[in-house]
Amino acid sequence: SAVISQKPSRDICQRGTSLTIQCQVDSQVTMMFWYRQQPGQSLTLIATANQGSEATYESGFVIDKFPISRPNLTFSTLTVSNMSPEDSSIYLCSGAGTGGYNEQFFGPGTRLTVL
Amino acid sequence: EDQVTQSPEALRLQEGESSSLNCSYTVSGLRGLFWYRQDPGKGPEFLFTLYSAGEEKEKERLKATLTKKESFLHITAPKPEDSATYLCAVPRDAGKSTFGDGTTLTVKP
Repeated sequence: SAVISQKPSRDICQRGTSLTIQCQVDSQVTMMFWYRQQPGQSLTLIATANQGSEATYESGFVIDKFPISRPNLTFSTLTVSNMSPEDSSIYLCSGAGTGGYNEQFFGPGTRLTVL
Repeated sequence: EDQVTQSPEALRLQEGESSSLNCSYTVSGLRGLFWYRQDPGKGPEFLFTLYSAGEEKEKERLKATLTKKESFLHITAPKPEDSATYLCAVPRDAGKSTFGDGTTLTVKP
């Protein structure tokens, strides 16, 4: 298993600004993912954070809006750029690959409100 | 495209009243299934991996089972602390998972 922390836990931001969310894993993981979750809804995968290379984005998400870095096997950042109120959501990171079957271990989430 | 459907959307039980949650899936080839628990304001917590049809896993009051078309999460004599949203997911390409929408369980004392 892996223990994952995220910073900040919550933030309130103004329209047009950017926020960078940090994700730290306590052990090396093969894969890291970023999700968005609206209250009361399930998880939507934004992208796979690839170590040392560009992230792989899911349909509907683009690098200019959600730039992602992963400099090593235990750390990743997600930036939400040029925010609008529609970006208000919970953002979660996860790590996978510590076991043999890619079950994911999630951080506590970052609750973002855009005014 | 893989699809995962959970039912019911919400379930309210009295303490001690056993029941089951369902996760049905359509996948090109079953490669296992995951169950997670999510408490309000927190990230999902991994519960079980079921690797193949016929397998069962247990943890306290929870027992997960898997067939070729669906999985059940049986909750025996639940307690209020079992209240949470339960998510199932199936593995897909490149280590990713396809998640269901979840079942929100409320256990009343």
